Amino acid sequence: GNSVTQMEGPVTLSEEAFLTINCTYTATGYPSLFWYVQYPGEGLQLLLKATKADDKGSNKGFEATYRKETTSFHLEKGSVQVSDSAVYFCALSAMEYGNKLVFGAGTILRVKS
Amino acid sequence: DAGVTQSPTHLIKTRGQHVTLRCSPISGHKSVSWYQQVLGQGPQFIFQYYEKEERGRGNFPDRFSARQFPNYSSELNVNALLLGDSALYLCASSLEVYEQFFGPGTRLTVL
Repeated sequence: GNSVTQMEGPVTLSEEAFLTINCTYTATGYPSLFWYVQYPGEGLQLLLKATKADDKGSNKGFEATYRKETTSFHLEKGSVQVSDSAVYFCALSAMEYGNKLVFGAGTILRVKS
Repeated sequence: DAGVTQSPTHLIKTRGQHVTLRCSPISGHKSVSWYQQVLGQGPQFIFQYYEKEERGRGNFPDRFSARQFPNYSSELNVNALLLGDSALYLCASSLEVYEQFFGPGTRLTVL
């Protein structure tokens, strides 16, 4: 079945450091890929998405590129801020499975000033 | 425009009780999905409804049921609550069954 694997956290960075959170997936067909962010005590917010190979999703300085050859969708940001501290979830959906979202376990990001 | 709304925000129940969680989708959205997020884990898919019909069901026992109403709002029901049902229950709506927008969730604690 479809699955998503994320790097384990927590990831602790200083403000203005470069961020990478690794995400790889297993899926049949051609899934769409997503990054969601969850701030403490809140629900999930869509951060960015990509629907086909080589697409680059971007939002609020975050980027991720859909790499079909390596089945990856790594999240990057050039300079993190304290306000980026949250839990980040990589997810996929596939039409063949009714477009339900399959999530990774999440990666906690802590940014220190 | 209002986002996805869920009620109640928090709920405390005891083992064996029944609970009903409610979700109102974004205006115009016809699909609602439910997810369970246990502390420290990613959300797990429970149900998906589109135009009042069940489109998908995750690997959850029959104690879990749901329905969607003509106004596209939805209820999730859980019977015979177990301690392991303690979680954040998330509702998501979408225009069709693609990009999903999440509500703030209902935090269920089973004692």
